Amino acid sequence: DAGITQSPRYKITETGRQVTLMCHQTWSHSYMFWYRQDLGHGLRLIYYSAAADITDKGEVPDGYVVSRSKTENFPLTLESATRSQTSVYFCASSSSGWQPQHFGDGTRLSIL
Amino acid sequence: DQQVKQNSPSLSVQEGRISILNCDYTNSMFDYFLWYKKYPAEGPTFLISISSIKDKNEDGRFTVFLNKSAKHLSLHIVPSQPGDSAVYFCAASDPNDYKLSFGAGTTVTVRA
Repeated sequence: DAGITQSPRYKITETGRQVTLMCHQTWSHSYMFWYRQDLGHGLRLIYYSAAADITDKGEVPDGYVVSRSKTENFPLTLESATRSQTSVYFCASSSSGWQPQHFGDGTRLSIL
Repeated sequence: DQQVKQNSPSLSVQEGRISILNCDYTNSMFDYFLWYKKYPAEGPTFLISISSIKDKNEDGRFTVFLNKSAKHLSLHIVPSQPGDSAVYFCAASDPNDYKLSFGAGTTVTVRA
């Protein structure tokens, strides 16, 4: 089915570990985004990408790394997880700035 | 500093009545505004949008109003239904920038 999928849906890890969250979209949208959702903050942009091999920082990029070697995939890596990175992470994509972003169902990440 | 603000964290309304959700923004470059609806354990779903050249956009039971001089928008849901119980996020963007800034969300509860 066409859409945007995130994996895993749930993840528990320990501080200091590296963890990668996956995002895959089948629309061939140029733009992809990673957000985190925390109580009282809504969704905050971590990183975004305008096309394959083009990425840029959002509002809260520290501690995260992204790559985009293919248009359809946009993985997010926490290089050394910290408890403050416990959150729900959402991936989104869109075809242009004048089109709505479409979201995946999220990854709930807990760092112990 | 949050550029999009939803000052009411929650709203309770009786089934069949009108729900009015409010949103304020500070960035005068924002030209495209959206509302998203979110159920627990799911990603945000696009609901309705409006560009700055319009002051009203309607889609079924949902109407968004934009007052650009006041930097204020609102979402009206008429009539409210139990399935409308969700978290609603207001978002805004400068389309040339294609990034969205989100408010913290308003939790709507529709009472039978």
